[in-house]
Amino acid sequence: GNSVTQMEGPVTLSEEAFLTINCTYTATGYPSLFWYVQYPGEGLQLLLKATKADDKGSNKGFEATYRKETTSFHLEKGSVQVSDSAVYFCALSDADTNAGKSTFGDGTTLTVKP
Amino acid sequence: DGGITQSPKYLFRKEGQNVTLSCEQNLNHDAMYWYRQDPGQGLRLIYYSQIVNDFQKGDIAEGYSVSREKKESFPLTVTSAQKNPTAFYLCASSMRQGSGYTFGSGTRLTVV
Repeated sequence: GNSVTQMEGPVTLSEEAFLTINCTYTATGYPSLFWYVQYPGEGLQLLLKATKADDKGSNKGFEATYRKETTSFHLEKGSVQVSDSAVYFCALSDADTNAGKSTFGDGTTLTVKP
Repeated sequence: DGGITQSPKYLFRKEGQNVTLSCEQNLNHDAMYWYRQDPGQGLRLIYYSQIVNDFQKGDIAEGYSVSREKKESFPLTVTSAQKNPTAFYLCASSMRQGSGYTFGSGTRLTVV
């Protein structure tokens, strides 16, 4: 079946540091890939997505590239801010084999210190 | 603005009681989902529905029930059979397969 493995957290960075959160996946079809962000006490918000190999999703300074050869979708940001502190979830949606349901990673908690 | 509304935000239940969590969307999305999130953990799928009057069990459906009588609404009932119902419950919807989810703001259920 499908699965998503995320880099274990928590991750603690200083403001303006470079961020990478690793995400790898296993899927039998050709999935779409997503990153979501969850702030304390709230639901998840879609941060970015990519629907095919070599696509780059980007939003609010965050980027992730769909790498089919390494089955990866790592999240990056060049300079983090305190306001980026949140939990980040990697997910995939495989329309062909899983009725479009999404499979989520366990989440990575990011704390950015001033 | 379009979105998903979950209510109430906080809910307290006595042991042995059934409670119903509301989820309403005005996005015209076909598919709707219920997830459970425990502290420090990921999301686990309870039920999902891809079309009105049809729904499927997810990974942890025992002790829960749903209905999908209208496209806009997908209420979740937590029954007394659910042994450990204290958790954060998230409702989501999607327009089409592979388009990503829109989530509600969640309901925190506590058994007292």
